[in-house]
Amino acid sequence: DSGVTQTPKHLITATGQRVTLRCSPRSGDLSVYWYQQSLDQGLQFLIQYYNGEERAKGNILERFSAQQFPDLHSELNLSSLELGDSALYFCASTTGGTTGADTQYFGPGTRLTVL
Amino acid sequence: GDSVTQMEGPVTLSEEAFLTINCTYTATGYPSLFWYVQYPGEGLQLLLKATKADDKGSNKGFEATYRKETTSFHLEKGSVQVSDSAVYFCALSDNSGTYKYIFGTGTRLKVLA
Repeated sequence: DSGVTQTPKHLITATGQRVTLRCSPRSGDLSVYWYQQSLDQGLQFLIQYYNGEERAKGNILERFSAQQFPDLHSELNLSSLELGDSALYFCASTTGGTTGADTQYFGPGTRLTVL
Repeated sequence: GDSVTQMEGPVTLSEEAFLTINCTYTATGYPSLFWYVQYPGEGLQLLLKATKADDKGSNKGFEATYRKETTSFHLEKGSVQVSDSAVYFCALSDNSGTYKYIFGTGTRLKVLA
């Protein structure tokens, strides 16, 4: 158990809909990363937050947004869903240090299926 | 930009065979390098890491050495077990302050009894 929790575990929805994925980092971790894992594209970095502020952005679509709340949990919002958004979405947390040597602790993931 | 390239899978080995999974990277600075493992139905977990050139990371019989001259971080294990069957991801983190982690596409390992 990594200490990172994600809800829901599974989500099935229709094209055009909007969903919210939730992540709670490990106790004491200030930084949250979001990733998308699909069969054909591996693990893609979406966005990172540190202590409530956006810190780095990857290949995140404009239809997707995220935020980190004062209690440090984070939510990833996906809107106008398309079939191609079907994937596993992981969040990971780190202490958020300024070096790149931090270990990332991953949650179990949310499997999104868009029908 | 920074990138990680690892060998395509799947890799199928018999129990007690020697394992090598190749990983090379491209980075402008001096990144930290990681191997993560993903067991079926689970999230990724850190297997080992190295933060500077010539460092060797090791854990659970797996080893990888940070080779700056060949920009490589190959994963090795002398004798694999069925329980090692999983997907292995090589990753780098830029130490120059971008805070991004770049992952390879993953290599699936299947170990047969």
